[in-house]
Amino acid sequence: AQSVTQLGSHVSVSEGALVLLRCNYSSSVPPYLFWYVQYPNQGLQLLLKYTSAATLVKGINGFEAEFKKSETSFHLTKPSAHMSDAAEYFCAVSPRSNDYKLSFGAGTTVTVRA
Amino acid sequence: NAGVTQTPKFRILKIGQSMTLQCTQDMNHNYMYWYRQDPGMGLKLIYYSVGAGITDKGEVPNGYNVSRSTTEDFPLRLELAAPSQTSVYFCASSYSNGAPYNEQFFGPGTRLTVL
Repeated sequence: AQSVTQLGSHVSVSEGALVLLRCNYSSSVPPYLFWYVQYPNQGLQLLLKYTSAATLVKGINGFEAEFKKSETSFHLTKPSAHMSDAAEYFCAVSPRSNDYKLSFGAGTTVTVRA
Repeated sequence: NAGVTQTPKFRILKIGQSMTLQCTQDMNHNYMYWYRQDPGMGLKLIYYSVGAGITDKGEVPNGYNVSRSTTEDFPLRLELAAPSQTSVYFCASSYSNGAPYNEQFFGPGTRLTVL
């Protein structure tokens, strides 16, 4: 079975500072990995995905994530936080054989301080 | 395109009542999903459908039923509502054509409270 663990339920950053959200996965074989963002009172939106092409994946809004098999990690970063980045972020995993079956982490809420 | 639409946005139910959450997508997606989101728990898959007439259970199906008579619609039925079903419900859809992972598109959610 696939699962993900997101370290830290809340992250607070200053505007212009680095955003780092941590995600570790558990899987016997490398799965597909995703980051989704949820803005207040909205549905989820895909930020980026890893499907075994390049290990460094670039997404929308300046976010990127790096797949590290040795560390079973898929951490999300953005060099410079903007006020509009305040949202909840979910890491998700799916098996390659049934890639529509997403398993989500518990989420990390990001607040951005002016 | 409207994408994935859900109705209602909010609903309060009494214990034991029933209701149907509506979900419609206009993207001609073959796959559709229902998730529930509880605080600190992420999203859990309730039911999914890979095409009209085909549905299957997800991780937390108890207390729910679904049907898929058309490509566009995927209603979720709650029978005998219980406080444990208080949650935010999201419908999603995707198009699967055999290529690696096809993005799931989410609706805005229905916030349900059972008292």
